[in-house]
Amino acid sequence: DAGVIQSPRHEVTEMGQEVTLRCKPISGHNSLFWYRQTMMRGLELLIYFNNNVPIDDSGMPEDRFSAKMPNASFSTLKIQPSEPRDSAVYFCASSFESRLNQPQHFGDGTRLSIL
Amino acid sequence: GDSVTQMEGPVTLSEEAFLTINCTYTATGYPSLFWYVQYPGEGLQLLLKATKADDKGSNKGFEATYRKETTSFHLEKGSVQVSDSAVYFCALSDGDRDDKIIFGKGTRLHILP
Repeated sequence: DAGVIQSPRHEVTEMGQEVTLRCKPISGHNSLFWYRQTMMRGLELLIYFNNNVPIDDSGMPEDRFSAKMPNASFSTLKIQPSEPRDSAVYFCASSFESRLNQPQHFGDGTRLSIL
Repeated sequence: GDSVTQMEGPVTLSEEAFLTINCTYTATGYPSLFWYVQYPGEGLQLLLKATKADDKGSNKGFEATYRKETTSFHLEKGSVQVSDSAVYFCALSDGDRDDKIIFGKGTRLHILP
């Protein structure tokens, strides 16, 4: 079975550039989560969607970050303009009926480096 | 709000040693509890879970028991292997409140051959 698919796996770009991270959740899952992981802050929840609707974006660092989920099989996280402090590993995760305390399934992440 | 506290790492053990990673939680409701494991270069994956008090989750030789009286969910394994080297995250979710999972900061485990 295909798991959560993220692309790209690695991204290196210069500060000021726009960065778009992509995620395909597991088919049938109706909740999608974006996380950021750094050594300093650990794992942080940025935003999550339920049935394609953003529910909680309180973890989004600032207006430079935006996320969309146009349909049940695709989501994007965009950073514009990017800054060196945005360098981190970004994970997407999905779950089915998360209100029933179902576990989240993670992708392998996108390692982002902003020079 | 709800929170998870787990022992800081890194934890370094020799192969075949006994492992305990402590985890305690704070929650207003009746959460489900999880242990996730993250191997190098990969995302987190569910290791085991328990949904109510006194439940024991187990997988791959790892065990954890949901202790409501001590608000704990300690991870144990009787004999660790080099391949168990990873970062372990304790977590909770309360579906009555929202869809989120609250993760601990993670404990890095090194197993020496």
